[in-house]
Amino acid sequence: EAGVVQSPRYKIIEKKQPVAFWCNPISGHNTLYWYRQNLGQGPELLIRYENEEAVDDSQLPKDRFSAERLKGVDSTLKIQPAELGDSAVYLCASSLSQTYNEQFFGPGTRLTVL
Amino acid sequence: GNSVTQMEGPVTLSEEAFLTINCTYTATGYPSLFWYVQYPGEGLQLLLKATKADDKGSNKGFEATYRKETTSFHLEKGSVQVSDSAVYFCALRANAGKSTFGDGTTLTVKP
Repeated sequence: EAGVVQSPRYKIIEKKQPVAFWCNPISGHNTLYWYRQNLGQGPELLIRYENEEAVDDSQLPKDRFSAERLKGVDSTLKIQPAELGDSAVYLCASSLSQTYNEQFFGPGTRLTVL
Repeated sequence: GNSVTQMEGPVTLSEEAFLTINCTYTATGYPSLFWYVQYPGEGLQLLLKATKADDKGSNKGFEATYRKETTSFHLEKGSVQVSDSAVYFCALRANAGKSTFGDGTTLTVKP
């Protein structure tokens, strides 16, 4: 069974440019999470989806970040415009449901903003 | 809000040494507790979990016991191997489904 797939694995952009990350969760997993992991820290939740509905986006900086999960399967996280402080690893994870404890993580996208 | 505090690293041990990585938490209600491991270049993987007080999670020789009285979930292994070198994250999952992670502890095991 394929795990959580993310692309790209690495992205380098200049500040003020837009960037997008893509995630394909494990087949059948209804819950999808986007996390940001700064260097030397643990993941911090940005947004959580139940199917196509965003049920927790309280930590998403909505002035520049947006996300979508059309059809309740794969998801895209966008930053526009990017700032220097956005440099981090963006992790996607999925689980069968929000009440099912185990989350499966993708390898992440390492973003560098110059 | 909820929080997780992990023992600061890095931790360097010789092969076959005993490992303890401390983790304490603050949470309302009755969270589930987890240890995740992240190998270089890979995503986080669930190592073990415990869903209620006094439960012991175990996997691959690692163990952790959910201690409600001390709000702790320390990770232990009796004899580490070089292949255990990784970053270890303690995490909790609250009743509302939101997960909170510690900052991670880097373990290096030398032959």
